[in-house]
Amino acid sequence: EDKVVQSPLSLVVHEGDTVTLNCSYEVTNFRSLLWYKQEKKAPTFLFMLTSSGIEKKSGRLSSILDKKELFSILNITATQTGDSAIYLCAANQGAQKLVFGQGTRLTINP
Amino acid sequence: SQTIHQWPATLVQPVGSPLSLECTVEGTSNPNLYWYRQAAGRGLQLLFYSVGIGQISSEVPQNLSASRPQDRQFILSSKKLLLSDSGFYLCAWQRATYNEQFFGPGTRLTVL
Repeated sequence: EDKVVQSPLSLVVHEGDTVTLNCSYEVTNFRSLLWYKQEKKAPTFLFMLTSSGIEKKSGRLSSILDKKELFSILNITATQTGDSAIYLCAANQGAQKLVFGQGTRLTINP
Repeated sequence: SQTIHQWPATLVQPVGSPLSLECTVEGTSNPNLYWYRQAAGRGLQLLFYSVGIGQISSEVPQNLSASRPQDRQFILSSKKLLLSDSGFYLCAWQRATYNEQFFGPGTRLTVL
């Protein structure tokens, strides 16, 4: 059965801390790994990773994929209260479907 | 640019009543379309997806159905709602040859 597992499920840190969110996957016909940020409503797209070992960065956020060990991490440095959200990872299965993890609820306290 | 709309934004329905949620996409043609359900604080469960008009794939057995009467319109329906149908319903679109999916604003459904 295809599955994506995220850890931790919940994380509370202080502003300025660095956090690492984990995502492991087992899907057939894997093509890519995607990260989304969900605040109030619709998830917004952050990164798509297709190659192992190549880091993608956007400001304080970065992500990397390990296709041998079947996992990805999302790092956020110098966290701010606006980073509080649910972070979702999803594995693209055969180009048409995404299999989502349970999400990590990140809370940044001032 | 592409935009995706969902309505209504919020809905409260009694058990046993029918349901119709609508999703439309603008600014693209022949998109793949998706319906997801999200329980409180959880991940997204894929319910249905469509790669073209009249083509619907169902991912989980349930009392919901989906239809795609037009290229950029996707409808989620039920004849009789159950309490367990409560949740946050998200519609998404994807270009057929790409991997990223883009989400609509969602509909929060409460079945009482």
